[in-house]
Amino acid sequence: GIQVEQSPPDLILQEGANSTLRCNFSDSVNNLQWFHQNPWGQLINLFYIPSGTKQNGRLSATTVATERYSLLYISSSQTTDSGVYFCAVENTGRRALTFGSGTRLQVQP
Amino acid sequence: ETGVTQTPRHLVMGMTNKKSLKCEQHLGHNAMYWYKQSAKKPLELMFVYSLEERVENNSVPSRFSPECPNSSHLFLHLHTLQPEDSALYLCASSQDISFLAGEQFFGPGTRLTVL
Repeated sequence: GIQVEQSPPDLILQEGANSTLRCNFSDSVNNLQWFHQNPWGQLINLFYIPSGTKQNGRLSATTVATERYSLLYISSSQTTDSGVYFCAVENTGRRALTFGSGTRLQVQP
Repeated sequence: ETGVTQTPRHLVMGMTNKKSLKCEQHLGHNAMYWYKQSAKKPLELMFVYSLEERVENNSVPSRFSPECPNSSHLFLHLHTLQPEDSALYLCASSQDISFLAGEQFFGPGTRLTVL
C-alpha cells in the first residue's frame, strides 16, 4: 500500500516563530488532507488539498502531486497551535485515508 | 447537533463484556468510516461503509463487528476484547462520489480501555 512519511516527527518552537511541516507519499493520490489533533483527540480539518496552494489565516499548505509531497506552513505560531499534525492521503482504488505518523508540535510561550 | 458525534466519549470494559460504540453524522454524507488510533501508531482504517454497504474490511478481528443501519448512523459492536484493543476509536464521514472518498470529517472519538 501507499506509504506516507511526515517530518520532522517532533518540533519545539518559541511563540511567534514560523515552521514548515512536510509530508511525502509514495504513490499518486486523489485526496490529501492535513489535520490538527488537539489534546482531547479531536481531528480538526485544516486543508483538503490534493494539489495546489491554499491559505487559511496563519496556515497555508501546498501540494505538488507530481513530486509526491505536501507542505504545511505555520506562521507566527501560538501556544494553541500545539498538538499533533497529521497528513493523510487517499490513493486510487482505496476509498479511505492512509495517515502518516504525525508531527508533534510544541509551541512554548 | 452538527458534524460528526460519537458516544460514549470514554468507555472502560472488561474482557468478557459486550459494548457498542455509536457514531452519527449530520452532514448528509453517504460514506462512514471507523479508524483506530493506538499509542505510538498511526491511525489505522478498520471499516468503510458506502450507502450502508461495507466496502472495505481492513483485516479486523471478528471481535469487532460494525453495523450501518442507514447513511447517518454507524455502530461498532465490541465483544471479548483484549487489553491491546485499548485505543481511541474515531468515526468519520464523507461524500463518496464515483468511488472516491472525498474530504473526510471526524468525530471526537471514543477512548476505550479494556481491563
